Amino acid sequence: GAVVSQHPSRVICKSGTSVKIECRSLDFQATTMFWYRQFPKQSLMLMATSNEGSKATYEQGVEKDKFLINHASLTLSTLTVTSAHPEDSSFYICSARDYRGRETQYFGPGTRLLVL
Amino acid sequence: GQQLNQSPQSMFIQEGEDVSMNCTSSSIFNTWLWYKQDPGEGPVLLIALYKAGELTSNGRLTAQFGITRKDSFLNISASIPSDVGIYFCAGHWRDDKIIFGKGTRLHILP
Repeated sequence: GAVVSQHPSRVICKSGTSVKIECRSLDFQATTMFWYRQFPKQSLMLMATSNEGSKATYEQGVEKDKFLINHASLTLSTLTVTSAHPEDSSFYICSARDYRGRETQYFGPGTRLLVL
Repeated sequence: GQQLNQSPQSMFIQEGEDVSMNCTSSSIFNTWLWYKQDPGEGPVLLIALYKAGELTSNGRLTAQFGITRKDSFLNISASIPSDVGIYFCAGHWRDDKIIFGKGTRLHILP
């Protein structure tokens, strides 16, 4: 099956620092990757759609300068939370869409970010 | 915009019971997906449905894509403790994005 990895799985950082989260599709190529944020006991909230070789598309209300997304290859997308603050603490999950066209997204295991 | 109504919000059942949950929408979808999420983990795809009327099984799980393309259900037969978790339905229409339901939290009583 399709496997997506995320790194790191957990990160604790001081307020004001930047944190980079990596999302990789391990056994398939993903032209499109997605970044979600999930608060406790809530559903997944789409933050942005990341397309290989082009700029990410951000959802309404998500600051593109705050959440920098880079999709440099067909197997890697990165999310950088810049100048993180405690309110950025959350569970960040990426997903990847198999390029062969089925509308199915495979999710990574998530990254727990805690900003002190 | 499109929304998914997932029900029930939570379920408390005895081990061995069958479970049924569903999602409905006022809009049609081309694809319905069912995911399970364990605490602290990402969602795992259980079943993907691509055609109206399609009925698909994955072990003890069965899901159907409603004929109107506006609904889907997921059944779990003979529940076991490891079925505990949150189940999300998700639908896809045109663009790359999929829309998630709010989830059904399954609890199994000892």
